[in-house]
Amino acid sequence: DAMVIQNPRYQVTQFGKPVTLSCSQTLNHNVMYWYQQKSSQAPKLLFHYYDKDFNNEADTPDNFQSRRPNTSFCFLDIRSPGLGDAAMYLCATSRVSVGATTAFFGQGTRLTVV
Amino acid sequence: ILNVEQSPQSLHVQEGDSTNFTCSFPSSNFYALHWYRWETAKSPEALFVMTLNGDEKKKGRISATLNTKEGYSYLYIKGSQPEDSATYLCAFTRGSQGNLIFGKGTKLSVKP
Repeated sequence: DAMVIQNPRYQVTQFGKPVTLSCSQTLNHNVMYWYQQKSSQAPKLLFHYYDKDFNNEADTPDNFQSRRPNTSFCFLDIRSPGLGDAAMYLCATSRVSVGATTAFFGQGTRLTVV
Repeated sequence: ILNVEQSPQSLHVQEGDSTNFTCSFPSSNFYALHWYRWETAKSPEALFVMTLNGDEKKKGRISATLNTKEGYSYLYIKGSQPEDSATYLCAFTRGSQGNLIFGKGTKLSVKP
């Protein structure tokens, strides 16, 4: 059974029209991450939540926001999508404890901007 | 600037061939090195996480080694099978919060 679920798998949005991607987890992990992967590039961390604490990467555009209303859910909001925001968006979770921990990923949402 | 470099970018092998990929990463402030396998239309799946210099991990036909002093890791696949076809990602972390810094991956295709 999938433990990190992303919806939708594919999203087409219009240039400038706000869009929200969702992620849910059944693992009760305390950290949730959003990564962006553009074609032929490495997945890039946008931000993460450590419990309720939001941590933004320095180079994440203001156009990208996130919400985590509870432990299980995390949302990625793109306020005004541009053509350059077309990418695969990956959600991941981990439980931070002593020692290195593994991150668990969803299947991703592929975003197309038209 | 942190860069994780993976080579080769892509690899085509015949069923039964053994193969290996390289991941290089900054050796300063190292915490852990992760390998993931990402099959098309599926979630990236964790293969190994290694922390100690000289670590060697094995899962079936797949194994990995780690050299933290010189900043590289090798992933080996013995007797490749078509089901091994996937993109293999390595990622480096600097701390226990696990903020993964990825390479671009090596795309492996195994022909029957």
